[in-house]
Amino acid sequence: AQSVTQLGSHVSVSEGALVLLRCNYSSSVPPYLFWYVQYPNQGLQLLLKYTSAATLVKGINGFEAEFKKSETSFHLTKPSAHMSDAAEYFCAVLPAGGTSYGKLTFGQGTILTVHP
Amino acid sequence: DAGVTQSPTHLIKTRGQQVTLRCSPKSGHDTVSWYQQALGQGPQFIFQYYEEEERQRGNFPDRFSGHQFPNYSSELNVNALLLGDSALYLCASSFANTIYFGEGSWLTVV
Repeated sequence: AQSVTQLGSHVSVSEGALVLLRCNYSSSVPPYLFWYVQYPNQGLQLLLKYTSAATLVKGINGFEAEFKKSETSFHLTKPSAHMSDAAEYFCAVLPAGGTSYGKLTFGQGTILTVHP
Repeated sequence: DAGVTQSPTHLIKTRGQQVTLRCSPKSGHDTVSWYQQALGQGPQFIFQYYEEEERQRGNFPDRFSGHQFPNYSSELNVNALLLGDSALYLCASSFANTIYFGEGSWLTVV
């Protein structure tokens, strides 16, 4: 079974500082991986996805993530945090093969706070 | 191009009642999945519909049922509501390996 672990339920950074949100997955074969952002009282917005092409994936709003098979990780980064980045971030995994009939398994989420 | 749309956005029901939530997928997407997100948790997969049939199901009781229509839109039905069913219900539509979510329906059971 697939599983996702997000290290740190809360991360706090200063505006302009590096953002690093950690995600590790458990899977017998490399799955497809996703990062979603959820602003208060809203649905999930897709930030980026890894689908077995380039290991460094660039997403919206200046975020990127690197797939590291040896570490079973897919950490999300942004060089310079902005106040508008404050939200909850979810890492999710789709079973190997990545066909649309797979189900997403989500981590518990990381709440990002950005201080002025 | 409209994204995934869900209705209603908020609703309050009493224990034991039944509720129906609706979802229209993104244009061109033929697969609809439903997720439950309890407060402070990540979304949990309920089930998925493709070609009007339930293709996969998560660990949810039979009180949770659904339907997909020929135009790919979908409904989620929950019978005999419990207080623990209070949550944000998210619909996701997908094509290939791209999955988009709607804004969700907030269900409160009192």
